[in-house]
Amino acid sequence: GENVEQHPSTLSIQEGDSAVIKCTYSDSASNYFPWYKQELGKRPQLIIDIRSNVGEKKDQRIAVTLNKTAKHFSLHITETQPEDSAVYFCAASWEGAQKLVFGQGTRLTINP
Amino acid sequence: NAGVTQTPKFQVLKTGQSMTLQCAQDMNHNSMYWYRQDPGMGLRLIYYSASEGTTDKGEVPNGYNVSRLNKREFSLRLESAAPSQTSVYFCASFHAGGTEAFFGQGTRLTVV
Repeated sequence: GENVEQHPSTLSIQEGDSAVIKCTYSDSASNYFPWYKQELGKRPQLIIDIRSNVGEKKDQRIAVTLNKTAKHFSLHITETQPEDSAVYFCAASWEGAQKLVFGQGTRLTINP
Repeated sequence: NAGVTQTPKFQVLKTGQSMTLQCAQDMNHNSMYWYRQDPGMGLRLIYYSASEGTTDKGEVPNGYNVSRLNKREFSLRLESAAPSQTSVYFCASFHAGGTEAFFGQGTRLTVV
């Protein structure tokens, strides 16, 4: 079955710096890669996703890149702000899949 | 449109007691899931249901049972609660592989 590995588990950076979180997946059939943000005490919510026919997608300060050959995808957050502090989860799935497989999560802390 | 609704939000049980966590979605999604999230940890899949009438074990099914009552509702039952089941439980649903998953607000369960 699909397995998703996420790194790093924790990331602490200064406000204004850029953050990069990386995930690798095992199943070449996977073609949908969402990223979820979970603020303290709240539910995970989708912030951006990418499909396998696209190499990069941007939404304001966040972007996701996908390398299908290497089976890895990354989340990039630029000009980080304190409200970006949260746990971020990557995930992988495919058309008709019964499951969404999550990575282990990254706790991002933005220091003022 | 309420999305995914879980009840209760908080629960304290004594060791050996039983309880059922309820989850309902109004988005006409096929797939529903139950995850547990321990402090500082990621999302671990307990059980999932790909469609009405089907259920399958996830990563950590021991000590739990589920029922997919109809397309809208997916319940999680603890028959004899143990302190190791102290966790935050999330229900989630999505239509099929390759689409966004929506999470309920979570149930914080403490077993003493």
